[in-house]
Amino acid sequence: SAVISQKPSRDICQRGTSLTIQCQVDSQVTMMFWYRQQPGQSLTLIATANQGSEATYESGFVIDKFPISRPNLTFSTLTVSNMSPEDSSIYLCSAQWTVQETQYFGPGTRLLVL
Amino acid sequence: TQLLEQSPQFLSIQEGENLTVYCNSSSVFSSLQWYRQEPGEGPVLLVTVVTGGEVKKLKRLTFQFGDARKDSSLHITAAQPGDTGLYLCAGAGKYIFGTGTRLKVLA
Repeated sequence: SAVISQKPSRDICQRGTSLTIQCQVDSQVTMMFWYRQQPGQSLTLIATANQGSEATYESGFVIDKFPISRPNLTFSTLTVSNMSPEDSSIYLCSAQWTVQETQYFGPGTRLLVL
Repeated sequence: TQLLEQSPQFLSIQEGENLTVYCNSSSVFSSLQWYRQEPGEGPVLLVTVVTGGEVKKLKRLTFQFGDARKDSSLHITAAQPGDTGLYLCAGAGKYIFGTGTRLKVLA
């Protein structure tokens, strides 16, 4: 299993600013992902964070808006750039060893953009 | 676009009642997972079903994978307030999550 922490747990930001969310896993994992979840709704995959290379983004998400870093096998960051109120959401990171195994999720970062 | 539709979207029941949540898709999945998410936390995996027709039990929860591997169901017997949460199905390996079922069990 894996224990995942995220920082910050929540934040209130002004439109036009950027926020970087950190995700730390307590062990080395093969895959790390970033999801967005509107309150009370399901999860949408933003991107796969690749160690040592550019992240792989899903349709509708672009690197300029959501730059992602993954410098090693236990850590990743997601930046929400030039924020607007529509970016208000919960952002979750997850970790997985192989495609068919369990995904472990962090507790999420609650973002409110005013 | 592959979609996983869950029904019902919301469910509020009394403690002790039984309920079934459905997860349907037009696509075939090699396996399906069910998660439960409580407020302020990330989703936690409950079960993975792999074989068409497979039935798995986890205490009062029974999970079934459709024969064609396009749908799944979650049945809870004698629901308890601790079962309250958001239930999500997910297509394993494709990182697609269902639309979600928000369950509230009243004491």
